[in-house]
Amino acid sequence: EVQLVESGGGVVRPGGSLRLSCAASGFTFDDYGMSWVRQAPGKGLEWVSGINWNGGSTGYADSVKGRFTISRDNAKNSLYLQMNSLRAEDTALYHCARDNGQQLAYYYYYYMDVWGKGTTVTVSS
Amino acid sequence: DIQLTQSPSFLSASVGDRVTITCRASQGISSYLAWYQQKPGKAPKLLIYAASTLQSGVPSRFSGSGSGTEFTLTISSLQPEDFATYYCQQLNSYPRTFGQGTRLEIK
Repeated sequence: EVQLVESGGGVVRPGGSLRLSCAASGFTFDDYGMSWVRQAPGKGLEWVSGINWNGGSTGYADSVKGRFTISRDNAKNSLYLQMNSLRAEDTALYHCARDNGQQLAYYYYYYMDVWGKGTTVTVSS
Repeated sequence: DIQLTQSPSFLSASVGDRVTITCRASQGISSYLAWYQQKPGKAPKLLIYAASTLQSGVPSRFSGSGSGTEFTLTISSLQPEDFATYYCQQLNSYPRTFGQGTRLEIK
């Protein structure tokens, strides 16, 4: 079964750090890019960060750039999100998701087709 | 960064109705758009990618269209299980932004 399981969430004080992990199973992990998406309580989805299959290309939302770092360990089938200088507005449920894609005509189209259930991060004093 | 604006933000409809949700991009994104459905307490589910390609296993009552800056998601005949929140997402470039969501509720 294709599965993503997040861990590492918790309660942290403003300015603190946390490292999230996402364990992948049921598919060849290093064939895919991966992403982190978060959802604050009662709010919509926010794409946080993405990484390509070998870690050579990464991207970040403006709201986390310079504070969060995405990485992966293909030998461990794992994705990570190092979160530093945490703020109250980072409080959210954090999902990891698989970046898949398909060639249609001349173009390659991406989409996020497998999602984990998420891990909750609460930033509060 | 590319901004996505969905309309309406809230939609009330009845079982059997045909509904359309619009997603507008702040700049052209070709067909690099996906649609997701999210139910309370659940992870999002992919419905459509490349603006109009139905994900495997998704009922054919869902359809997508558009390119450039304007896109639509249509549900041809609402079923009880379709009442949820719907999001568009652009995958043309980083950051891969989402629309603010459209909440579809039973009338």
